[in-house]
Amino acid sequence: GAGVSQSPSNKVTEKGKDVELRCDPISGHTALYWYRQSLGQGLEFLIYFQGNSAPDKSGLPSDRFSAERTGGSVSTLTIQRTQQEDSAVYLCASSPGLAGGLLAKNIQYFGAGTRLSVL
Amino acid sequence: SQQGEEDPQALSIQEGENATMNCSYKTSINNLQWYRQNSGRGLVHLILIRSNEREKHSGRLRVTLDTSKKSSSLLITASRAADTASYFCATASGGSYIPTFGRGTSLIVHP
Repeated sequence: GAGVSQSPSNKVTEKGKDVELRCDPISGHTALYWYRQSLGQGLEFLIYFQGNSAPDKSGLPSDRFSAERTGGSVSTLTIQRTQQEDSAVYLCASSPGLAGGLLAKNIQYFGAGTRLSVL
Repeated sequence: SQQGEEDPQALSIQEGENATMNCSYKTSINNLQWYRQNSGRGLVHLILIRSNEREKHSGRLRVTLDTSKKSSSLLITASRAADTASYFCATASGGSYIPTFGRGTSLIVHP
């Protein structure tokens, strides 16, 4: 696709349920990132993929959070047993990685996000 | 903790005025980027400045970088109502693939 696509755009769930958030990166981008943004706050880094592997998952807030990436493309962020404090906008971004050159590897292209509300 | 911190947190100006936002950071960087986020949308990359550059222009945007003060500024000239958005700086250090974002400056441009 032309840009990064995230689905669903909005998700309302009940406390204790599991949710899956999906990210389709720009075709050919090897790097993929997940961030969390709470109301009026900056971006909280969650996890970074290079290809299908995750060299840095240091930002995942608890073991209820996990993510995978298959085929070097689509990624899924899963939150188990959701809590109210998980309510936020979850943003996905992709970048060319080293294939884009030393500078381009840091430029990120963002999806519109998934707004998660846990009741 | 956030690597970059934007200042001010909020800025309200009239259309046609210039808007200046600042970003301070703590450690040495390879480059610094500015992004814009419109309400309810993802971030859009505006400009990247390398650590050996002091100033860069893109249309109505002017970015400066002072590595001795560990600070950068984003100037939007002749602002328009459509410039209303949050603006974030992001820094990259060492060999990291992961830019670190600040909390952002919320800019409102009144028509």
